[in-house]
Amino acid sequence: AQSVSQHNHHVILSEAASLELGCNYSYGGTVNLFWYVQYPGQHLQLLLKYFSGDPLVKGIKGFEAEFIKSKFSFNLRKPSVQWSDTAEYFCAVNPLGAAGNKLTFGGGTRVLVKP
Amino acid sequence: DSGVTQTPKHLITATGQRVTLRCSPRSGDLSVYWYQQSLDQGLQFLIQYYNGEERAKGNILERFSAQQFPDLHSELNLSSLELGDSALYFCAYAQGYEQYFGPGTRLTVT
Repeated sequence: AQSVSQHNHHVILSEAASLELGCNYSYGGTVNLFWYVQYPGQHLQLLLKYFSGDPLVKGIKGFEAEFIKSKFSFNLRKPSVQWSDTAEYFCAVNPLGAAGNKLTFGGGTRVLVKP
Repeated sequence: DSGVTQTPKHLITATGQRVTLRCSPRSGDLSVYWYQQSLDQGLQFLIQYYNGEERAKGNILERFSAQQFPDLHSELNLSSLELGDSALYFCAYAQGYEQYFGPGTRLTVT
């Protein structure tokens, strides 16, 4: 079965610092890739997605992610974080061809941005 | 706001009881997914319906079942509840590959 790994469980950084969150998946076929964000007490919101094409994708709130097929990775980045980026971030994979379009999520990374 | 609604927001019940969680879609969304989020298991896919028909099953217990009705709203039924069923239950609707999540129902089993 496919799995998704997020290497960091907790990240603490100061405002204006750069953020990079790692995500690796184990699935040999074609996949759709997503990053979701969950602000405290709120629902999951889609940050960005990759289906095909340019492996560097830009999302909302200044986030971007790079798909590296050879490394089965889809890392999330933001050059300069703000206090409002404090949230939990989830990487998710949808293998194409599988029944339905279910998402397999990583364990999440809690990000705390200190003002 | 994703446009997906879930009720109730919070639910506290006792072991052995049965509850029903409800989810309503944005206009035109045919596919609904249910996920469970718990501290020990993380976010796990439970089940998917498409236009009233079951499409895919994940790690859903036999005590749990779901339906999608003609108006496309969906219900997740949880029975013979155990302490370990305490979790956040999310539904998500999709058009194509993108899924839009509801605010979730927090279930506490005491």
